[in-house]
Amino acid sequence: KQEVTQIPAALSVPEGENLVLNCSFTDSAIYNLQWFRQDPGKGLTSLLLIQSSQREQTSGRLNASLDKSSGRSTLYIAASQPGDSATYLCAPNDYKLSFGAGTTVTVRA
Amino acid sequence: KAGVTQTPRYLIKTRGQQVTLSCSPISGHRSVSWYQQTPGQGLQFLFEYFSETQRNKGNFPGRFSGRQFSNSRSEMNVSTLELGDSALYLCASSSRDTGEEAFFGQGTRLTVV
Repeated sequence: KQEVTQIPAALSVPEGENLVLNCSFTDSAIYNLQWFRQDPGKGLTSLLLIQSSQREQTSGRLNASLDKSSGRSTLYIAASQPGDSATYLCAPNDYKLSFGAGTTVTVRA
Repeated sequence: KAGVTQTPRYLIKTRGQQVTLSCSPISGHRSVSWYQQTPGQGLQFLFEYFSETQRNKGNFPGRFSGRQFSNSRSEMNVSTLELGDSALYLCASSSRDTGEEAFFGQGTRLTVV
């Protein structure tokens, strides 16, 4: 059974700081890994998809790395803004997405 | 291009009743998955449908069932509702096969009283 751990559980930073969100998973036999953000009471918004053969993926201020063999992924958010406040979830995909508890980010103006 | 649409957005049901939730995937997507999100258990996989066939199933009791129609729209049904079934139910669609990017709907908030 895939177990996903995200560290830290919560993070509060002033606007402009860079964010580093960590994700670890136990089963490396995955097709890909997705990062999502979730605003309170809402659905999940896909941020980045990294295929199992890739090491890194970038979209705007977001960069995610994947080390499949060690079961780790890291999401970097550059120059954080208050609008980045949300819960961030990583989800390795074997035949289904498995989720950890997420990292709740607060960016203070 | 329209996103994933879930209806209804909110539901209040009584214990013992049954409920049906609907999910319309992104046009052209053939895979639909369902997830349950609760404060205690987080996000858990219910089942996945691909081309009208249930391809994978999570660890939920038989009261939870689903189906997919020829136009890829999917429904999930929960019978004999329990208080613990109160949750946000999320549907995700992807284009064709395992390994494709998943897109989620806004969810249906089910409250069982």
